[in-house]
Amino acid sequence: AQRVTQPEKLLSVFKGAPVELKCNYSYSGSPELFWYVQYSRQRLQLLLRHISRESIKGFTADLNKGETSFHLKKPFAQEEDSAMYYCALSSFGGSQGNLIFGKGTKLSVKP
Amino acid sequence: DTAVSQTPKYLVTQMGNDKSIKCEQNLGHDTMYWYKQDSKKFLKIMFSYNNKELIINETVPNRFSPKSPDKAHLNLHINSLELGDSAVYFCASSHFGTGELFFGEGSRLTVL
Repeated sequence: AQRVTQPEKLLSVFKGAPVELKCNYSYSGSPELFWYVQYSRQRLQLLLRHISRESIKGFTADLNKGETSFHLKKPFAQEEDSAMYYCALSSFGGSQGNLIFGKGTKLSVKP
Repeated sequence: DTAVSQTPKYLVTQMGNDKSIKCEQNLGHDTMYWYKQDSKKFLKIMFSYNNKELIINETVPNRFSPKSPDKAHLNLHINSLELGDSAVYFCASSHFGTGELFFGEGSRLTVL
């Protein structure tokens, strides 16, 4: 079964501290993974995708197929990073198109 | 120049009523979605349409009926509203086969 697990509901760190938001997935095919972010009172938006291997707003995420993980990392958290973060798995095989979301992790960066 | 827009943003209604939420996208995408976000912020796919055809219909009560008059619109009609329908409903769109979804701002439905 396709599944995305984000084990932490809430992650609280101080400004300047490193942050890692965990994501594990279960998928039988070749996965395509994403991180989406929802800032307060804003719409959900794409933060980054594993295939582009880019860094956005200082965040990076590496797909580890052995550990079936796609953790989101940032070396120095900023207050403006406080938001809800969702890991998502694309299951666009066959005739279906779907993005499966994890339950989300709320990141709180304290001054 | 809003890419994905939904109306209304807020909807407060009584149990048993029927209500609709409209969604429009101007991105030229061929696929549109409805997601439900519950009180715990969990996002779950409800429906997906590709070129006006239903391609995903998750386990959703048949009181929920999506309608896609054209590729740029996907509306959600809900009959006989129940307390448990209270949630934020997000519309999204994408090119089929990509995982880059563009979301609307959400429509917060409160059923009293």
